[in-house]
Amino acid sequence: AQSVTQPDIHITVSEGASLELRCNYSYGATPYLFWYVQSPGQGLQLLLKYFSGDTLVQGIKGFEAEFKRSQSSFNLRKPSVHWSDAAEYFCAVGAECSGGSYIPTFGRGTSLIVHP
Amino acid sequence: KAGVTQTPRYLIKTRGQQVTLSCSPISGHRSVSWYQQTPGQGLQFLFEYFSETQRNKGNFPGRFSGRQFSNSRSEMNVSTLELGDSALYLCASSPRGGIWELFFGEGSRLTVL
Repeated sequence: AQSVTQPDIHITVSEGASLELRCNYSYGATPYLFWYVQSPGQGLQLLLKYFSGDTLVQGIKGFEAEFKRSQSSFNLRKPSVHWSDAAEYFCAVGAECSGGSYIPTFGRGTSLIVHP
Repeated sequence: KAGVTQTPRYLIKTRGQQVTLSCSPISGHRSVSWYQQTPGQGLQFLFEYFSETQRNKGNFPGRFSGRQFSNSRSEMNVSTLELGDSALYLCASSPRGGIWELFFGEGSRLTVL
């Protein structure tokens, strides 16, 4: 069965500093990988996804992520964090099922705190 | 284009009762999936419906059920509520296709007393 580990429960950064959120996955086949963001009281919003091809993926809000198969990682990065980036971030892996759909498995999330 | 709408946003029930939550997907989306989010277990997949058929199901007891209507709107029901069912229940819709991305609603916050 697939699994996702986000080793950092909380991360605190200063506004304007760079950010890297870690994600490690376990899945036997080629993974479909996602990063979602959840602001307080809101649902999740997709930041970016990796299906195949270029291992460096660009997303919305200035985020990017790099897929490293050898390390089973899909870390999320942003060069300069804004106060509005404070939120919960979830990494997810999709396991393909019959019929072409997939069941997503989410990590436990990383809470990002941004200091002014 | 309107997003995913979930109702009610907040509700309080007592143990043993049942609850029905509703989800209206983005227009044109035929897949609707449901998730339970708790501090202890995180985000867990409940089930997915596509064209009124349950396509996938997570590891939850039979007290959790759902259905999808011909207009793609979906409901989930939890019977014989337990304290541990207190959670944020999220619905997500997705356009038709093999591999898809999820568009989430804001969730229904259920408190069981």
